[in-house]
Amino acid sequence: AQSVTQLDSHVSVSEGTPVLLRCNYSSSYSPSLFWYVQHPNKGLQLLLKYTSAATLVKGINGFEAEFKKSETSFHLTKPSAHMSDAAEYFCVVSSSNTGKLIFGQGTTLQVKP
Amino acid sequence: SAVISQKPSRDICQRGTSLTIQCQVDSQVTMMFWYRQQPGQSLTLIATANQGSEATYESGFVIDKFPISRPNLTFSTLTVSNMSPEDSSIYLCSAHLGGETQYFGPGTRLLVL
Repeated sequence: AQSVTQLDSHVSVSEGTPVLLRCNYSSSYSPSLFWYVQHPNKGLQLLLKYTSAATLVKGINGFEAEFKKSETSFHLTKPSAHMSDAAEYFCVVSSSNTGKLIFGQGTTLQVKP
Repeated sequence: SAVISQKPSRDICQRGTSLTIQCQVDSQVTMMFWYRQQPGQSLTLIATANQGSEATYESGFVIDKFPISRPNLTFSTLTVSNMSPEDSSIYLCSAHLGGETQYFGPGTRLLVL
């Protein structure tokens, strides 16, 4: 069975400082992993995805994530937070044979001025 | 990327009534998915809708409560039947565009009084 765990329910950073949102996954085979962002009262937007190509994945808005099989992790990072990054972030694993997505519980990112 | 729209964007309903949510994709897709996001929670898959066959429901969701139609390759509806306040949630549809990536509609925000 596949699962995903977001290690922090809430992360608070100051504007201009680095962002780290942590995600661990469990999968019996090589997974496809995603990060989605949900701004208040908005839909879900895909930030980036890993599908067994390069382990360091670059996404939109300066975000990137590194797939580490040995650690079963897929942490999301950004060098410098912006106020507009404040949102809910979801780490997601996909079942390759059914297409179903399994969502983590989400991490709320707060960016302080 | 596909454009996915949902109608209505939000609604306030009385308990005991039903609401049908529409999801339109701007290209033909094989698989469509319906998710529920309860207040302050992550997304939970309700069912997978394939054109020409009955929807496949996840554990805890039943067809009588959440009937789904998939009349063609670009459209699907989800009905929330005999609503109670516990059904107050955001309902999202998504489309699986081959590959591994799902794109989401903007969501329907439902409040049941």
